[in-house]
Amino acid sequence: DVKVTQSSRYLVKRTGEKVFLECVQDMDHENMFWYRQDPGLGLRLIYFSYDVKMKEKGDIPEGYSVSREKKERFSLILESASTNQTSMYLCASSYPRLAASSYNEQFFGPGTRLTVL
Amino acid sequence: QKEVEQDPGPLSVPEGAIVSLNCTYSNSAFQYFMWYRQYSRKGPELLMYTYSSGNKEDGRFTAQVDKSSKYISLFIRDSQPSDSATYLCAMSPTSGGYQKVTFGTGTKLQVIP
Repeated sequence: DVKVTQSSRYLVKRTGEKVFLECVQDMDHENMFWYRQDPGLGLRLIYFSYDVKMKEKGDIPEGYSVSREKKERFSLILESASTNQTSMYLCASSYPRLAASSYNEQFFGPGTRLTVL
Repeated sequence: QKEVEQDPGPLSVPEGAIVSLNCTYSNSAFQYFMWYRQYSRKGPELLMYTYSSGNKEDGRFTAQVDKSSKYISLFIRDSQPSDSATYLCAMSPTSGGYQKVTFGTGTKLQVIP
């Protein structure tokens, strides 16, 4: 079974703090993703990585950065947390697409519910 | 206008009912149509996907895609309390090495015993 784990289920931080969210996958997937999930807005892509040390901005990268030093680990960093970053953060991983007609499932972790006070 | 629209519900049905969940979309480039299921306090998991148009069946679940109307559906037959979850539709175009996925906001389903 594919397993994607996230370092914390619940996290409470103060405005201005630097926050690290860690994600680890055990299936040797090349692709890794960070999403945030908010009521009425659904899942929105923050950043993704298709290889070690490679990263691409998603739809809402402002206020976030990422790090991928090892294939199995993808970190999301909030440089200076703000209250509008209170959300559920979901990490996912997948193989790269091999053929035009294929869809490679994204496997999600359980999420980290971050509250910024 | 959002690229993918999904009624948030909640939808409450009795056990055994047929459930219909739907999404509409505006981007003609979408070719992959997925349904994810998300239980409370868990991450989404892929239920099934369809490439291009047509129907796909997997046990009690049937996915339908009507590209002419830009409308997709998920039907659940003989619904069970264990089907109670939030269902997310998701879509992706064919082009590009990275398969960007656009998610709907999810429909919360409750199946009452």
